[in-house]
Amino acid sequence: GPKVLQIPSHQIIDMGQMVTLNCDPVSNHLYFYWYKQILGQQMEFLVNFYNGKVMEKSKLFKDQFSVERPDGSYFTLKIQPTALEDSAVYFCASSFDWGGQDTQYFGPGTRLLVL
Amino acid sequence: LAKTTQPPSMEAYEGQEVNVSCSHTNIATSEYIYWYRQVPHQGPQFIIQGYKDYVVNEVASLFISADRKLSTLSLPWVSLRDAAVYYCIVTGYGSSGNKLIFGIGTLLSVKP
Repeated sequence: GPKVLQIPSHQIIDMGQMVTLNCDPVSNHLYFYWYKQILGQQMEFLVNFYNGKVMEKSKLFKDQFSVERPDGSYFTLKIQPTALEDSAVYFCASSFDWGGQDTQYFGPGTRLLVL
Repeated sequence: LAKTTQPPSMEAYEGQEVNVSCSHTNIATSEYIYWYRQVPHQGPQFIIQGYKDYVVNEVASLFISADRKLSTLSLPWVSLRDAAVYYCIVTGYGSSGNKLIFGIGTLLSVKP
């Protein structure tokens, strides 16, 4: 199926530092998402993004989080500053259409460890 | 909270057909049923999607009851590679918005 790429695959940083997670979505997709999965726990929605704007965000999407997709390049998730509880695997997804009528395709995840 | 109920785990032998059930008693008319699976250290992989009746693709088939409150994912001839957590998700316009709500899924173990 369609491929979503994520860079880097792993990231280790010290608490308080900034980190940027990059997502290369499927080329013709218009809707973008970030999900968070703590080891051994359920996948949880963070945010979705369309036409340069955040459409919906969850309670997990703290003020320290931001997303953007400048000039159609990578869709990024930035965390500044990071906290210990941000350690998790972050999955990016994309879809062509909205509203649950179109499939979201996921990347392989970025494993973030905050020390 | 997830809007679906699945068995937490299942076991099968290679070559068997596996049927994973999912209850979604409060499914709305605007909602679709999606199945994903996830193996360790990978992202969720889309399997199949349906609204009603019966859907089939090269990987699986999906049967949806007439009242749409129950669906069954059928995997023919499972192999070791099919060992994964299988998620049944319902989503659509105006309900969960445009996000997928994952439950704990069904952990499928495949024995040789």
